Amino acid sequence: DQQVKQNSPSLSVQEGRISILNCDYTNSMFDYFLWYKKYPAEGPTFLISISSIKDKNEDGRFTVFLNKSAKHLSLHIVPSQPGDSAVYFCAASGLEGGSEKLVFGKGTKLTVNP
Amino acid sequence: DGGITQSPKYLFRKEGQNVTLSCEQNLNHDAMYWYRQDPGQGLRLIYYSQIVNDFQKGDIAEGYSVSREKKESFPLTVTSAQKNPTAFYLCASSAGSRTPLHFGNGTRLTVT
Repeated sequence: DQQVKQNSPSLSVQEGRISILNCDYTNSMFDYFLWYKKYPAEGPTFLISISSIKDKNEDGRFTVFLNKSAKHLSLHIVPSQPGDSAVYFCAASGLEGGSEKLVFGKGTKLTVNP
Repeated sequence: DGGITQSPKYLFRKEGQNVTLSCEQNLNHDAMYWYRQDPGQGLRLIYYSQIVNDFQKGDIAEGYSVSREKKESFPLTVTSAQKNPTAFYLCASSAGSRTPLHFGNGTRLTVT
C-alpha cells in the first residue's frame, strides 16, 4: 500500500520552461515533506522541505507547494536547466506509534532538453 | 569535508555468501539508516540506528543484519537468507528528527 505516490514516472520539459513534479500522500499523520534529487549511481541529495504549517516554501529556482486538504504537494522548478535532469523523490514524514516515520515515493525522472 | 562514505561502490558475490557493506560518516550525526533501491521503486528502509549500540528494524529487515558499535560506523550485512539481494544500497545519516537525510553514494551489490 503506497502511502506516498508519484504518479508520473517521467517528465520531459524544454530548457527555460517550468517543471512541475507532483506527489500525493494518503496518511494524515504526515506533516513534514521533503524533495530529494538523485543522479545515476549517486545518493540522493536534499533539495527543499516544507512543514504542514506552511503552504509554500521557496529556495531560488525551486518552490514546493503543499495542499493539505488534497494531500498533495508539488515541486516547481523555474526556469528548468539541463543540469536539473535527474530523478526526483518526494518523501513524507510523521509520527507513528511514537516514532518518526519517513516514506519515499517511487520517483519521477525529469529530463530537461536544451 | 564532511560526508558519508560507502564502500565499495560495486560488489559481486556468489549466492549463499554473506557480504558486509561499509558505511562511515564524519558529520557527527547520531542517526544512521540503510535503504535499498530497486529499479522503478522508491527507497525502502532496511534498518536504522538513532544512537550507538541501538538499532531498529525497518520495513524490509529480513535477511539483513547491522551493528552500531561506533557513532561513525553502521555496517550492513546481507546474509544468505535475503532472497533477492541484488540491489543498490544507500546509507544515510541525519542530525535528528525533522532534519534532512544525508546520503552516501551507494553500493551496487550483484549476487549471482
